[in-house]
Order: sequence, then structure tokens, then C-alpha cells
Amino acid sequence: KAGVTQTPRYLIKTRGQQVTLSCSPISGHRSVSWYQQTPGQGLQFLFEYFSETQRNKGNFPGRFSGRQFSNSRSEMNVSTLELGDSALYLCASSPIGGDTEAFFGQGTRLTVV
Amino acid sequence: QQQVKQSPQSLIVQKGGIPIINCAYENTAFDYFPWYQQFPGKGPALLIAIRPDVSEKKEGRFTISFNKSAKQFSLHIMDSQPGDSATYFCAATEYGNKLVFGAGTILRVKS
Repeated sequence: KAGVTQTPRYLIKTRGQQVTLSCSPISGHRSVSWYQQTPGQGLQFLFEYFSETQRNKGNFPGRFSGRQFSNSRSEMNVSTLELGDSALYLCASSPIGGDTEAFFGQGTRLTVV
Repeated sequence: QQQVKQSPQSLIVQKGGIPIINCAYENTAFDYFPWYQQFPGKGPALLIAIRPDVSEKKEGRFTISFNKSAKQFSLHIMDSQPGDSATYFCAATEYGNKLVFGAGTILRVKS
């Protein structure tokens, strides 16, 4: 069974630009969550989508948004990039949502210059 | 606001030793406590998880001890090996898949 796939793996963007990251969950999984990992703040929850609906949201500004498609694939978008948005963005998928096992992808390393 | 406090920040043990990583939480609504292992360049991988109605859970060389009254839980790695060298994160969640992570512990097992 294929794992969680995140694309692209690496990305370099300029301040003020916007970026879209993609996540394909494990086949059959319906919940997709996004996390930001930085050396200073650690792993922080961004949002969770379940059956195309945002179910939970973390404490991030509105520049961070996401969506989920009918095939459970998810995208997250960051607009008006800031230097502080440089981070590893991780996607996790779970079978049905609720406190079940979350399986992480390898992440997308975003660098904002 | 850090809701899950993890210690120590880093840990060095000899091969065969038993590293212990501790976590404490305040939110009594948390009801699922997983531990993750992360190697450089990889995403976190689930090691073992526990719910508050159980005081201990073992899976292979990994053991979670859970103290509900103290709101603390810990990870023990038996017979540690150099291949266990990684960053370990405790986490907690109260609903959905909104995981709240500890700050992480960098473990080095010396051969």
C-alpha cells in the first residue's frame, strides 16, 4: 500500500508570492491534516479536512488555507509569503478521522527568500 | 501556549541502555497519546500510542507508562540500539486528528 505522498518535496519562493502544496493520502483514508514544522516552534497543527470539510483549524493567519477533493487528496495554499513561513510542511492521513493513527508524508520543504 | 511539555531536550545513552523521555499535559480533555519517531529528512512515524484508561502499553522494545492523576506519560526504549538514534515526539489529541506535539527529544545511542 502506498504511503502519504507530498509534492513537491522542495520549493523556493520569494516573499510576497503564493504557494500551493499537494498531499495524496493513503488509499481509503478520508482525513487529511496539515502541520508546520520549524526549529523554533516545533510541530504545529494547521488544519484538518474530513470528507471535503474543514473539521479543525489551528492558530495560523488566514494566509494559510486548504481544501480537500472528493478523492481525499488535499492542497494547502499560503498567500503573501513571509520569511517566517519557511518550514517543513507535513501532511498526515487517517482512516476515518477521530483519534486514530495518523500517517505522515515526508513533507515539503518550503524556503522563502 | 505549549500544552504538552516534553523533556529532556536531548539524551545520549550507550547501546543497550534504556532512554526515558517524559511528557506532561494540562488539558484533561486529551484522550489519545501517541509517540512519534522522526529521522532526518523524513516525516514522523507512529511508534506506539495509549489511551488514559491504560497505565502501561508495550510494543516490542517500546513501552509507554501513563499516569492519569499526574497528567504525565513517558516512553521507555528497552535495549536501545544505534538505529534508534532519532528525534522523538510525544503528542496528545482530544478530538479529530488535531495533534498537539511536545517539543521533541533528540536521542543519540552510542555504539
